[in-house]
Amino acid sequence: EAGVAQSPRYKIIEKRQSVAFWCNPISGHATLYWYQQILGQGPKLLIQFQNNGVVDDSQLPKDRFSAERLKGVDSTLKIQPAKLEDSAVYLCASSFGTVNSPLHFGNGTRLTVT
Amino acid sequence: GQQLNQSPQSMFIQEGEDVSMNCTSSSIFNTWLWYKQDPGEGPVLLIALYKAGELTSNGRLTAQFGITRKDSFLNISASIPSDVGIYFCAGPETDSWGKFQFGAGTQVVVTP
Repeated sequence: EAGVAQSPRYKIIEKRQSVAFWCNPISGHATLYWYQQILGQGPKLLIQFQNNGVVDDSQLPKDRFSAERLKGVDSTLKIQPAKLEDSAVYLCASSFGTVNSPLHFGNGTRLTVT
Repeated sequence: GQQLNQSPQSMFIQEGEDVSMNCTSSSIFNTWLWYKQDPGEGPVLLIALYKAGELTSNGRLTAQFGITRKDSFLNISASIPSDVGIYFCAGPETDSWGKFQFGAGTQVVVTP
């Protein structure tokens, strides 16, 4: 089966600019996650979708981050305006959505904010 | 909130040696997941555990769900160079549905 697809793989922007990431989950996976992974740390959940609804966005910095999954399939994560501390790898993951079903990750987008 | 502690932070081992790492939680889990992350790639699921005391193998990897339900262990036997990477444990957040938190990772370096 095809894995989780993410694009772009790399992005370099200046602070205060905006950026968007795209994710296409594994076919049939109802739950989609966006994680932020800062160098040397484990992934940290930003937002969790079940189909096209938000399940949890408690750790999403909503003053600058937004995410949507309008048709319940692919998703976009946006940062506007970016700050230096947003430099990280942004990982998308998906799962079947049953209780505690494992997450499957894409290869991520490495964002560098200068 | 609950915490997930993973140790050791890093390990330098010789090819052929066995590797052990563990993860502990401040609260009871009903699932433990173990992932490996290679540089520039996303984490890849190695083993999923769903029952206290469960022992599951995947090739040279063996993981156990601790009997207290607050810890888990991952062992790699007879390490080879491609075992290099960062290994993460993950468990579900308390009172959540499908929301997982991750440990800080154990970096494994294998020398010939």
